[in-house]
Amino acid sequence: QVQLVQSGAEVKKPGASVKVSCKASGYTFTSYGISWVRQAPGQGLEWMGWISAYNGNTNYAQKLQGRVTMTTDTSTSTAYMELRSLRSDDTAVYYCARDGGASHFDCWGQGTLVTVSS
Amino acid sequence: SYELTQPLSVSVALGQTARITCGGNNIGSKNVHWYQQKPGQAPVLVIYRDSNRPSGIPERFSGSNSGNTATLTISRAQAGDEADYYCQVWDSSTAAVFGGGTKLTVL
Repeated sequence: QVQLVQSGAEVKKPGASVKVSCKASGYTFTSYGISWVRQAPGQGLEWMGWISAYNGNTNYAQKLQGRVTMTTDTSTSTAYMELRSLRSDDTAVYYCARDGGASHFDCWGQGTLVTVSS
Repeated sequence: SYELTQPLSVSVALGQTARITCGGNNIGSKNVHWYQQKPGQAPVLVIYRDSNRPSGIPERFSGSNSGNTATLTISRAQAGDEADYYCQVWDSSTAAVFGGGTKLTVL
């Protein structure tokens, strides 16, 4: 079955970077994109950006431009999201989700809690 | 940027019909997707492209979209339907946008 498994929780200091992984299985990785969505404690869902697993094209949310980088490793069917210059308001659960391309998110990872605290 | 408006909360009696709305400028011209999120869990897709149900989603879940409002309808509401529900669209195919979410309470 289609599955996305994310890396474990992280605790970072302000100004640091974090890199979250998302390993896909159960489908042809390069036939879909991966979107990243985050959710601050008690808040709603916020889309961060998308990467095509086919050619590596990316599209980032405007508010994160310059701080976020999304990549893929097709040899291991893994997507990565790196967020730099972390601030306390980046504390959130980060999800990866399979994306057919400007479409719906039909499979989600289990989420990775990133805590930014001094 | 495009904005989606959802009610903060909706209540429904057990076995009755719940309707959760998602408002946006001419949203009827966009594909609307709906997600269910239970506490401590990842979101789950329940409706895609306005009115389509993924496999495994009960027929009690349905969707519609017209004009400036999309609606998720949950018939014969069950206690297990209590969750947060989010609508989502793409803005000019370049940015995904989520509504603020609606907490459904089954009384």
